[in-house]
Amino acid sequence: ETGVTQTPRHLVMGMTNKKSLKCEQHLGHNAMYWYKQSAKKPLELMFVYSLEERVENNSVPSRFSPECPNSSHLFLHLHTLQPEDSALYLCASSQDPENTEAFFGQGTRLTVV
Amino acid sequence: QKEVEQDPGPLSVPEGAIVSLNCTYSNSAFQYFMWYRQYSRKGPELLMYTYSSGNKEDGRFTAQVDKSSKYISLFIRDSQPSDSATYLCAMSYWAGGYNKLIFGAGTRLAVHP
Repeated sequence: ETGVTQTPRHLVMGMTNKKSLKCEQHLGHNAMYWYKQSAKKPLELMFVYSLEERVENNSVPSRFSPECPNSSHLFLHLHTLQPEDSALYLCASSQDPENTEAFFGQGTRLTVV
Repeated sequence: QKEVEQDPGPLSVPEGAIVSLNCTYSNSAFQYFMWYRQYSRKGPELLMYTYSSGNKEDGRFTAQVDKSSKYISLFIRDSQPSDSATYLCAMSYWAGGYNKLIFGAGTRLAVHP
């Protein structure tokens, strides 16, 4: 596989559930990102990781918890979400955090019921 | 005022038309300027990447940056139905530790045969 792969592609969860989104990049990049894309809104940066260290938490509520065990994998752990958290969650990577050429995965379409 | 303004469209054109997509911005700190294309149910893919004011051409696509007017454009010549997608402008600035990408809301383009 090449590029940035996200699983699952679709997820429906209740407000009391706990679930995790997974992202894997096969590009040898050192920086990884989580973005949220809501209908008719710009992509919103959520978290930035550089060499497995978090360098940005863009005022994201604690019900979203990221984890970066190594430079190729990124997780987003979800718990007690709200219906307004329903969105497309996109993972991206870049060569390093100074590099602005971001490569995106296909996203996880999350619906909170 | 949003940092990046982009007309959401939708924009509908006949095949073969020249398409002009635009974004304006307010933050003088932006240094890098990008255009992404996003097909339905896919993640964004990088189309064009520029640093300085002026034009950059790649096949049927031309990206234009005017830093003095805080205005960027993407021109698509001889548009094809396969160009039907949402086009996102993006700009970045150094946020201390990483280059932060700020996206426009996207313009939806439909090219009809």
